[in-house]
Amino acid sequence: LAKTTQPISMDSYEGQEVNITCSHNNIATNDYITWYQQFPSQGPRFIIQGYKTKVTNEVASLFIPADRKSSTLSLPRVSLSDTAVYYCLVGDGITYNTDKLIFGTGTRLQVFP
Amino acid sequence: EADIYQTPRYLVIGTGKKITLECSQTMGHDKMYWYQQDPGMELHLIHYSYGVNSTEKGDLSSESTVSRIRTEHFPLTLESARPSHTSQYLCASSLRDRHGYTFGSGTRLTVV
Repeated sequence: LAKTTQPISMDSYEGQEVNITCSHNNIATNDYITWYQQFPSQGPRFIIQGYKTKVTNEVASLFIPADRKSSTLSLPRVSLSDTAVYYCLVGDGITYNTDKLIFGTGTRLQVFP
Repeated sequence: EADIYQTPRYLVIGTGKKITLECSQTMGHDKMYWYQQDPGMELHLIHYSYGVNSTEKGDLSSESTVSRIRTEHFPLTLESARPSHTSQYLCASSLRDRHGYTFGSGTRLTVV
């Protein structure tokens, strides 16, 4: 399984753009990169997923360089409600032995007024 | 608009009791998972299933057991609860050949 490395925590202020980078040096050819958001006492919530280049949805953007050894989750104009833990995961979602997605420690984002 | 439901949401129970945490999903997902998470800590996979009559242990050893008799239902059972079982238990599901999980809201279990 591809291991991911993220910063333990980040601080930001309301209205700023936040970029959280995840390293996954051992990503496999068939692996996708998925980001989840988790609020206290709730289950993680899917944010965005991508394979290469850039993906954008109504919540965030995901930037993946050509070598795919890292990815960056970009949250535009964060608000207090974006305070949460953000997890980066890689996996192919298909192969029996490798799609048990492993959640690391995640990045704890704190947004201040 | 959750399509995966966990009950109870909170449970406080005495040591030695048998408990079953319920998880049901209405999305027709074939894959289902149980994760255990202590406050402020990472999620650990304890059980997963790839379909009816399929159950496997996850990466974190757990004294709990699971069953998958119906596609939509994946209950977790503790035969004899202990204080060390106090934690949050999260159920998730996904489609085969898809790359995202849907999580339930979790059951926060306290064993006294």
